[in-house]
Amino acid sequence: GEDVEQSLFLSVREGDSSVINCTYTDSSSTYLYWYKQEPGAGLQLLTYIFSNMDMKQDQRLTVLLNKKDKHLSLRIADTQTGDSAIYFCAESITGGYNKLIFGAGTRLAVHP
Amino acid sequence: NAGVTQTPKFQVLKTGQSMTLQCAQDMNHNSMYWYRQDPGMGLRLIYYSASEGTTDKGEVPNGYNVSRLNKREFSLRLESAAPSQTSVYFCASGTGSEKLFFGSGTQLSVL
Repeated sequence: GEDVEQSLFLSVREGDSSVINCTYTDSSSTYLYWYKQEPGAGLQLLTYIFSNMDMKQDQRLTVLLNKKDKHLSLRIADTQTGDSAIYFCAESITGGYNKLIFGAGTRLAVHP
Repeated sequence: NAGVTQTPKFQVLKTGQSMTLQCAQDMNHNSMYWYRQDPGMGLRLIYYSASEGTTDKGEVPNGYNVSRLNKREFSLRLESAAPSQTSVYFCASGTGSEKLFFGSGTQLSVL
């Protein structure tokens, strides 16, 4: 079945790099996404990667995709306190309609 | 820029009461969605509307109904609320590539 798994919590020091990992099960995924949720707010699309790509870089964000292992990661360089949030991995499943399957979210805590 | 607007932000219901959650988007998107978010779980799709005039069930539709009133508006109705429906509800709209834009959520408690 369709499933997306993430570790639930990550703590990093301000200025360090953060790496949030995700595994997914459906090999037919077309896009894979990272969403950010700040307290009391909805999810905000951070970045996404098409399934035929290995890597995508966008300023401080680097997304790595290993299709063979069905593993996706998000690296945040020079992590700041404003990066504290919950990060959701999601895969896009096609089949009649485009459906997003979300992981449970990784809570990133940035401390001084 | 409004984006996706949901009302209300908070609601407390008694078991058996009914209510409608409202959602409107101003981005001219065809697709609209209702998700629920529960602690320790990812978002789960309740209903979606691929275009004006169509609605379909998602993963967890039981206990809910929806109406796609026009291209902008997509409402979610709880006919007889149950404690299991205590959750945070998010409306979203999307483009064909399904990059979703989310509202800020409705926190619903059913006592």
